[in-house]
Amino acid sequence: GNSVTQMEGPVTLSEEAFLTINCTYTATGYPSLFWYVQYPGEGLQLLLKATKADDKGSNKGFEATYRKETTSFHLEKGSVQVSDSAVYFCALSGGGSEKLVFGKGTKLTVNP
Amino acid sequence: GAVVSQHPSWVICKSGTSVKIECRSLDFQATTMFWYRQFPKQSLMLMATSNEGSKATYEQGVEKDKFLINHASLTLSTLTVTSAHPEDSSFYICSARPTGVSNQPQHFGDGTRLSIL
Repeated sequence: GNSVTQMEGPVTLSEEAFLTINCTYTATGYPSLFWYVQYPGEGLQLLLKATKADDKGSNKGFEATYRKETTSFHLEKGSVQVSDSAVYFCALSGGGSEKLVFGKGTKLTVNP
Repeated sequence: GAVVSQHPSWVICKSGTSVKIECRSLDFQATTMFWYRQFPKQSLMLMATSNEGSKATYEQGVEKDKFLINHASLTLSTLTVTSAHPEDSSFYICSARPTGVSNQPQHFGDGTRLSIL
């Protein structure tokens, strides 16, 4: 079945540091890939997505590229801010199903 | 943009009480909505898929008689936790995907924190 593996963290960075959160997946066919962000006490917000190989999703300075050859969708940001502190979830949907399969989440803390 | 409203955001009640949580899509129609449960510091676990006008599809291990789902219209799904007990305390999140629009992601509500005393 479909699955998502992401680095578990927690990740602690200083403001303006470079961020990478690794995400790899296992899926049949050609899944769509997502990054969701969850701020404390809130639901999930879609951060970015990619629906086919080599697509790059980007939003708010975050980027992730759909790499079919490595089955990866790593999240990156060149310069993090304190306001980026949150839990980040990598997810996929596919195989004819609308269901989302989530990774375990990575908690990011950015210190001033 | 698409918005999903979830209500209430926080519930505290006594053991044995039934609790209803509403999930509304505010500016789109959703034939399908999803209900998730999230334990502290853990990922989201899909509980069930709510289908407008038909029975919900429950994931393995989820008690359908415990977690009643009703999807009465294209913009509203409800989850009722029947005879709730402390072990049902959790963060419940719904999501909805716009119907009839390709490549649209799921949009999530802000969640309901349920605490059973």
